[in-house]
Amino acid sequence: GAGVSQSPSNKVTEKGKDVELRCDPISGHTALYWYRQSLGQGLEFLIYFQGNSAPDKSGLPSDRFSAERTGGSVSTLTIQRTQQEDSAVYLCASSETSGGSNEQFFGPGTRLTVL
Amino acid sequence: AQSVTQPDIHITVSEGASLELRCNYSYGATPYLFWYVQSPGQGLQLLLKYFSGDTLVQGIKGFEAEFKRSQSSFNLRKPSVHWSDAAEYFCAVKKRGSAGNMLTFGGGTRLMVKP
Repeated sequence: GAGVSQSPSNKVTEKGKDVELRCDPISGHTALYWYRQSLGQGLEFLIYFQGNSAPDKSGLPSDRFSAERTGGSVSTLTIQRTQQEDSAVYLCASSETSGGSNEQFFGPGTRLTVL
Repeated sequence: AQSVTQPDIHITVSEGASLELRCNYSYGATPYLFWYVQSPGQGLQLLLKYFSGDTLVQGIKGFEAEFKRSQSSFNLRKPSVHWSDAAEYFCAVKKRGSAGNMLTFGGGTRLMVKP
């Protein structure tokens, strides 16, 4: 079946603009994760959703970052007033449940460039 | 603090040679352990994982990894490298016992394969 998809694949924006990144998880997966991959910081966790529970936002770097997950499926990561340090690849992953042994399946990522 | 260390940032091997990528973790208890591979422009693909039991685990593409509790290590190996193995490899851990815990990644090892 289809894997995790993300859109857009590339996004170039100007400093100060808002951006929205989309993730479509694998159908039936109840857990969804956002990670960020940057040259300086490597791969970092941002936020996690499990079903209808309140998300774990402990990895969000600032209040400019937010995410939502509608209907327990599609998720949108929003970055407000983008800064150059937000330039990175944003990866989304999903898993069947949030149980510890469940494999996370990753999407191809969205490369964000802030000019 | 919990951490994952991949000591080698870059490794170059000749095609057909053996490969070992190192991974050490620092956790209070043995976590779940994973190796992922990322080819250029691609998302992360799971190579193998260790949860319990046999400390030598087999993965896809001819890779294996050995968990050594005494050394807090989970090194990835392949007996004979192919040119298509050139990619970046990430070791990751996930805390046991709690739902929804995110993956914590090492800094990655970029593998180059000489013809």
